[in-house]
Amino acid sequence: DIQMTQSPSSLSASVGDRVTITCRASHDINNYLAWYQQRPGRVPKLLIYAASTLQSGVPSRFSGSGSGTDFTLTISSLQPEDFATYYCHKYNSDPDTFGQGTRLEIK
Amino acid sequence: QVQLVQSGTELRKPGASVKVSCKTSGYTFTGNYIHWVRQAPGQGLEWMGWINPKNGGTYYAQKFQGRVTMTKDSSITTTYMELSRLTSDDTAVYYCARSGGLYSYGFWGQGTLVTVSS
Repeated sequence: DIQMTQSPSSLSASVGDRVTITCRASHDINNYLAWYQQRPGRVPKLLIYAASTLQSGVPSRFSGSGSGTDFTLTISSLQPEDFATYYCHKYNSDPDTFGQGTRLEIK
Repeated sequence: QVQLVQSGTELRKPGASVKVSCKTSGYTFTGNYIHWVRQAPGQGLEWMGWINPKNGGTYYAQKFQGRVTMTKDSSITTTYMELSRLTSDDTAVYYCARSGGLYSYGFWGQGTLVTVSS
């Protein structure tokens, strides 16, 4: 099975900061990589799919990049509502796998 | 609009089974796989498997094989996830999610809390 290693596991940042979260696959997954945001007590929300395609309605400060085994999620200028947990998700072949999550906290 | 509506909170004793439903609407039921994902308290997302509503085909994560069964009822556009031989480690929120090729999981159910306690 393909393993997904997400880093960092937690991150402290301030409003207006630029932050980057990375996800590495143990084998090539082409561009079958998605990113989700989850606020406490809420359902995961799709932000990015196909590694770099912004889901409809998601603010443009979110962006994704990468292909193959290395991927990044970037938030260009943090807003108060962005403090949440983020998960990467590979879905190229069975079984699907999620990263361990990155908890983004206010500094 | 696409909607996935799950059944309500469940409380079970260790050793029992639970069956969670996921009622879909707003799209062609047979057009998209339904995946099940769970999240234990304070933990991350854990993928359990999928069902193909077109033919009932399934794929389960190795961890759950032998304990999980995913089924569907096309007449009411509903899929089900049944988990047996429950332990306290199965206490979690269970989500259904609709996949769509490169689109990944664009639509999720609201989640169903399953608590396993004696």
